[in-house]
This record gives sequence, structure tokens and C-alpha cells, in this order.
Amino acid sequence: QVTLKESGPVLVKPTETLTLTCTVSGFSLSNARMGVSWIRQPPGKALEWLAHIFSNDEKSYSTSLKSRLTISKDTSKSQVVLTMTNMDPVDTATYYCARSVRGVIPPYYYYMDVWGKGTTVTVSS
Amino acid sequence: DIQMTQSPSTLSASVGDRVTITCRASQSISSWLAWYQQKPGKAPKLLIYKASSLESGVPSRFSGSGSGTEFTLTISSLQPDDFATYYCQQYNSRWTFGQGTKVEIK
Repeated sequence: QVTLKESGPVLVKPTETLTLTCTVSGFSLSNARMGVSWIRQPPGKALEWLAHIFSNDEKSYSTSLKSRLTISKDTSKSQVVLTMTNMDPVDTATYYCARSVRGVIPPYYYYMDVWGKGTTVTVSS
Repeated sequence: DIQMTQSPSTLSASVGDRVTITCRASQSISSWLAWYQQKPGKAPKLLIYKASSLESGVPSRFSGSGSGTEFTLTISSLQPDDFATYYCQQYNSRWTFGQGTKVEIK
């Protein structure tokens, strides 16, 4: 059974750096057909994709947030970590991690098939 | 970046209705489109990938169609469990979600 679980602080202060961890089970972060993305959702608003890491450690970031984000993984620990610097109240949201998968035959495009339950982060002084 | 626009934003329907949600991409994304269902307080759930492929375990009343820039999600006969918010997502170039369509009880 594939599961993903997000963890991190519930409350951060403005200007602080947020560090979130996604712990996965049921698949390996070294599987060439899989990757992990982070997505967030402010209260009452739409989903916003943030960052993605592939099995070969290649990374991709949202254009609008690229300067503030860093994604990394520790395959031995089955964990993917997202850091977001200079937090602001507008960054208050539920943060999700999700597994992405691709087909067997090229071209290779990845969609998100299994999501974690999310972790809520509030930015306030 | 590719922008995704869904319509309508809100849809009022009754159990048994046929429901159609439209998603438009700002440029061609071939068939690299997914649909997700989200209920309040829950994570999104994958329904459809590659525009028309039904995810395992998803009821057959859900179907997807389209290619290029215009896509639709159809629920053939709306069930009580289907009242939720639906999102399209392109994965042709990075990833982008639509703004969501809330399906509510009429």
C-alpha cells in the first residue's frame, strides 16, 4: 500500500524558513517511473503546485516561487524535504505531498496518483 | 507557464443529472491532463489521467475527453457521493491546476 505523510511545524513566524518532510512508504524514491511533488492549498482556494523531484534527483520548481523553494530527498530514509524561505501570512495553507508516476512507453510525463493527507501551516507573528 | 481555466466555477445539480465540466489550456498540452476530486478537509483524489484514462477503482460514471487545449469531465449520473470540487491539471510542462469547479446540490 502506497502512503505519503507530511510533517512539519503548525505555526511559523513571518520571515522564517519553513521545512516540511514527506515520508513515503510502499514505493522507493529510486524507482525511475516515480517522483514526488509538493502542492499547497490556501484556505478556500485552489491547488497550487510548488516543486517536484524525480528519481534521478532532477528538480523542478514553480516559476513564481522558485527563488524561495528547495526540494531534496533522502532515498535511504524514504523522505522528501521542502524548504520555503521568507514565509509570509499569504503562505498560510495546507501543504500536500503526492507521488507522481509515468507510463512505461515514452514520451514520459508524470501525473500525481497518490496524495498525503496534508499538513496545515499558519504564518503569523 | 501554461494556464488552466475551468468552467463553470460552481455547478448546481441534482442526483441523477448528467454533469459536464470544461477545462481549457492556454496552449496545447496534447492529452497530458488529469482530473481530481476533492471533498472538504480531504486530499484530492485522482479520477482521470491522460485526458480519458480512468484511474483504477473510480466508478465508470466518470469519463474524460479532449485533447490539445479543450477538455471535459463528465459524470453520467450524479450520485450523492459526487458532490465535491473538481480540478483539472496539466502535466505537459511542469504542473498547473485549474481554479476548480464546485458541484453542489440543487
